Amino acid sequence: DVKVTQSSRYLVKRTGEKVFLECVQDMDHENMFWYRQDPGLGLRLIYFSYDVKMKEKGDIPEGYSVSREKKERFSLILESASTNQTSMYLCASSINSNQPQHFGDGTRLSIL
Amino acid sequence: DAKTTQPTSMDCAEGRAANLPCNHSTISGNEYVYWYRQIHSQGPQYIIHGLKNNETNEMASLIITEDRKSSTLILPHATLRDTAVYYCILWGSWGKFQFGAGTQVVVTP
Repeated sequence: DVKVTQSSRYLVKRTGEKVFLECVQDMDHENMFWYRQDPGLGLRLIYFSYDVKMKEKGDIPEGYSVSREKKERFSLILESASTNQTSMYLCASSINSNQPQHFGDGTRLSIL
Repeated sequence: DAKTTQPTSMDCAEGRAANLPCNHSTISGNEYVYWYRQIHSQGPQYIIHGLKNNETNEMASLIITEDRKSSTLILPHATLRDTAVYYCILWGSWGKFQFGAGTQVVVTP
């Protein structure tokens, strides 16, 4: 089975802090994704990556950056956290663009 | 501007089949129909996907109409652990993997 692991299930940070969310997959998948999930808004794509050191903006990249230095790891960075970034963050990976995405269990991030 | 339409909720008796409909009348020729579910406090779980033909795996069956404008996910023998929000998604291009509101399925004893 595909395993996508997110480093924290719950995280509390303060406004203005730099926040790192880590995601690791163990299936040698090419593609990795970061989403946020908010009530009434569904999942929204923040960034995705189709190869090491490659990244593409999704629908809502503002206030975020990403890093993919190794194939198995995709990091989401909140450069200066704000309260409107309080959300559930979900990481996913897929073999290629025609195969299912597999999700981690999410990180519930609260910015105070 | 979700491209799929699903009922907001449905109930199902344990042990019975659950049939979850999805309308996607504007589906494009290269778009697959994907189904996921999300149990409370967990990430979405992949169930099944298809393009034109009906598909079956160990979790469910997917029936796609000939005109591809609608589909039905079938859980053959619902259990209490199948209580979740079920999402029908169209995916055919990079990054556009949009979850709508889904269907809240409650399986009752």
